[in-house]
Amino acid sequence: TQLLEQSPQFLSIQEGENLTVYCNSSSVFSSLQWYRQEPGEGPVLLVTVVTGGEVKKLKRLTFQFGDARKDSSLHITAAQPGDTGLYLCAGDNYGQNFVFGPGTRLSVLP
Amino acid sequence: NAGVTQTPKFQVLKTGQSMTLQCAQDMNHNSMYWYRQDPGMGLRLIYYSASEGTTDKGEVPNGYNVSRLNKREFSLRLESAAPSQTSVYFCASSLQGVDTEAFFGQGTRLTVV
Repeated sequence: TQLLEQSPQFLSIQEGENLTVYCNSSSVFSSLQWYRQEPGEGPVLLVTVVTGGEVKKLKRLTFQFGDARKDSSLHITAAQPGDTGLYLCAGDNYGQNFVFGPGTRLSVLP
Repeated sequence: NAGVTQTPKFQVLKTGQSMTLQCAQDMNHNSMYWYRQDPGMGLRLIYYSASEGTTDKGEVPNGYNVSRLNKREFSLRLESAAPSQTSVYFCASSLQGVDTEAFFGQGTRLTVV
């Protein structure tokens, strides 16, 4: 069974703080993806990382893929209340399907 | 831009009742998926369909059946609902191949009493 673990499960911070959330896998996937989900909505893709060691930046969000392609991190700089949501990492199972982690629920307080 | 459309949005069933969750996508995607989301457990794959006419079991298929009616539509059926099937169900679709993006519907919140 392919598993993705995410930590922390919950995170509550003040506006302006920095944070990092982690995704670890027992398997190698063709790529890892990060999704953000807001209440009452489906997840929406933020980024896909494919190559070991890859770093991608999306405004205040920085995504890193581990060298062994089994772990990834998401770093948010100067968090804002609009960043509040559930952050999910997902492994692309070589085009067959997507395996999701349990998510990190982030709350950014004004 | 409709994307992935799921119906209904909410449903309450009695134990033993049956129902079908409908999903349609207008992005010409080959692959479609059904997930359930429970607190602390993320999204778990129930069934998926890589192309029209094919379906495969995911991580948690017991108690469910699916039909890939055509390229656009992928339905999920509960033949005899159980309280353990209380969950939020998401349909998703993607292009076929590696490193593609999954597009999700808005979900169906199902309660079985």
